[in-house]
Amino acid sequence: EDKVVQSPLSLVVHEGDTVTLNCSYEVTNFRSLLWYKQEKKAPTFLFMLTSSGIEKKSGRLSSILDKKELSSILNITATQTGDSAIYLCAANSGGSNYKLTFGKGTLLTVNP
Amino acid sequence: EAGVAQSPRYKIIEKRQSVAFWCNPISGHATLYWYQQILGQGPKLLIQFQNNGVVDDSQLPKDRFSAERLKGVDSTLKIQPAKLEDSAVYLCASSLIQIRTDTQYFGPGTRLTVL
Repeated sequence: EDKVVQSPLSLVVHEGDTVTLNCSYEVTNFRSLLWYKQEKKAPTFLFMLTSSGIEKKSGRLSSILDKKELSSILNITATQTGDSAIYLCAANSGGSNYKLTFGKGTLLTVNP
Repeated sequence: EAGVAQSPRYKIIEKRQSVAFWCNPISGHATLYWYQQILGQGPKLLIQFQNNGVVDDSQLPKDRFSAERLKGVDSTLKIQPAKLEDSAVYLCASSLIQIRTDTQYFGPGTRLTVL
């Protein structure tokens, strides 16, 4: 059975701190790993990673995939209160289905 | 570009009642997904359509849940009869499958409360 595990499940930091969120996966026919931010209901897309060791960056957020370790990290530098959200990691697995298996998410709270 | 549309946004029903949710994907997206997200959990795939055909419904509780996408565009998900444990957010997503990679875009979801 495909599995995605995220850690920590929750995290409380102060504005300006840097955080690292972790994701590990075990899926058949792995294709890609995706990160989403969920503030209220709809997850919004952040990154898609397919190649090991290549960092993707968007503003203060960055992410990297390690296919050898079957894991990924999401870094957020200089956190702001607007970064408070649930961060979801999902692994895209194989065949013709392009199926996403999600982790439980990391609830990040950034206090002023 | 318009995003994925869903309605209603909220629904409260009593157990054993029926409910239906509607989704209109991003224009041109051939693949449509329905997810169930229980509080504190990540989204769980219920059913995946490619155009109007079902690709994966292995996690759909078929005794009470049904879904259709008759013309390969919008879709409805129905629960009949509802149980307390069906209380969740129901998310619809769509994607334009690329050759090697794929990104799913989500709608705002429908929050279902079963009393």
